[in-house]
Amino acid sequence: EAGVTQFPSHSVIEKGQTVTLRCDPISGHDNLYWYRRVMGKEIKFLLHFVKESKQDESGMPNNRFLAERTGGTYSTLKVQPAELEDSGVYFCASSHPSGRGGYTFGSGTRLTVV
Amino acid sequence: AQSVTQPDIHITVSEGASLELRCNYSYGATPYLFWYVQSPGQGLQLLLKYFSGDTLVQGIKGFEAEFKRSQSSFNLRKPSVHWSDAAEYFCAVGPTSGGYNKLIFGAGTRLAVHP
Repeated sequence: EAGVTQFPSHSVIEKGQTVTLRCDPISGHDNLYWYRRVMGKEIKFLLHFVKESKQDESGMPNNRFLAERTGGTYSTLKVQPAELEDSGVYFCASSHPSGRGGYTFGSGTRLTVV
Repeated sequence: AQSVTQPDIHITVSEGASLELRCNYSYGATPYLFWYVQSPGQGLQLLLKYFSGDTLVQGIKGFEAEFKRSQSSFNLRKPSVHWSDAAEYFCAVGPTSGGYNKLIFGAGTRLAVHP
């Protein structure tokens, strides 16, 4: 089966610009998660979708971040306007509805805000 | 507060040597426990997980981990390291109810392997 796909793999934008990250989960995986790793620190949870519904968005840092999952398939994470501290690697993961099979992570999007 | 501590930021071992990466957690109850690996340019790959039962868990690539409840630890081991094991390793915990959503990760341990 195809894995979790994220693009772009890298993005360099200027402070104040907008960037949209995309994640295509494994087909049939209702659960989709976004995580972020900032500059060698812990990988931190951002939010969790079950199908198209936001189950938990407690990790979203502020209202400059907007995640969507229309139709319960792929998801986008938009940062608008981007700030320097948003730089990091954004990971997406998906899991089967039962959950116990484990997450499958994408290779991440490295975002650099200059 | 819930947290995962990986005390070693960087570890360097010689190829063929044994390896142990440490992981301690602070959690309200015994969580689900995971080790992930990230090789350069790759995503996070699950090495192994502990849900219940035997506290010594076998994973892929010859790795194993031992859950010690009394020490709140889940250390990762490999008897003989290969050059291809050079990567960053992450320990993570998750809740045992309602699915193991919202994993909490440690800061990672970067492993270098000398020939």
